[in-house]
Amino acid sequence: GAGVSQSPRYKVAKRGQDVALRCDPISGHVSLFWYQQALGQGPEFLTYFQNEAQLDKSGLPSDRFFAERPEGSVSTLKIQRTQQEDSAVYLCASVFIGGTPDTQYFGPGTRLTVL
Amino acid sequence: AQTVTQSQPEMSVQEAETVTLSCTYDTSESDYYLFWYKQPPSRQMILVIRQEAYKQQNATENRFSVNFQKAAKSFSLKISDSQLGDAAMYFCAYRRGGNNDMRFGAGTRLTVKP
Repeated sequence: GAGVSQSPRYKVAKRGQDVALRCDPISGHVSLFWYQQALGQGPEFLTYFQNEAQLDKSGLPSDRFFAERPEGSVSTLKIQRTQQEDSAVYLCASVFIGGTPDTQYFGPGTRLTVL
Repeated sequence: AQTVTQSQPEMSVQEAETVTLSCTYDTSESDYYLFWYKQPPSRQMILVIRQEAYKQQNATENRFSVNFQKAAKSFSLKISDSQLGDAAMYFCAYRRGGNNDMRFGAGTRLTVKP
């Protein structure tokens, strides 16, 4: 596609439910990042993939958060046993290594609301 | 740790006028990049302009330019001839050299008055 896409755009979950958020990066982009953006704040790094390898997961706030990218393209961020503090917009960004360096292209985000 | 500070939570500008958004950052690295991203209400983050730390010349993209003061660790964004479509949240971001995560400021909400 032309840009990074994310689905669903909106997700409402009851506390304790598991959720899965999907990111489709720009075709050919090797690197993929996940960020969490709380209301009124800037995005904060969660985790980073290069192809299928998760190279950095230092930003994941707890072991309830899990991300995967098994074939090096689509990525899924999973949150188990959701809590109210997980409510945020989750942004995905991809990077083409070899093109304009260090420019991340963002998707529209998934707004997660935990009730 | 690297931190990015945007000291102006909100700014407003009259259409066709010029506005400057402030950003300071803290780092001990010598190889890094700085960015300004725009986030309209639809939430899609759009790259406005980027600056490589090793370049002394300030980056310019049409009506957008930066004032990069490396010694002062300052990276302000100037928007000339402001347009209604410039209204958005603007985020300043820092990234170490290499393919690393970005650190964002808290953002500045820009309002453009007709």
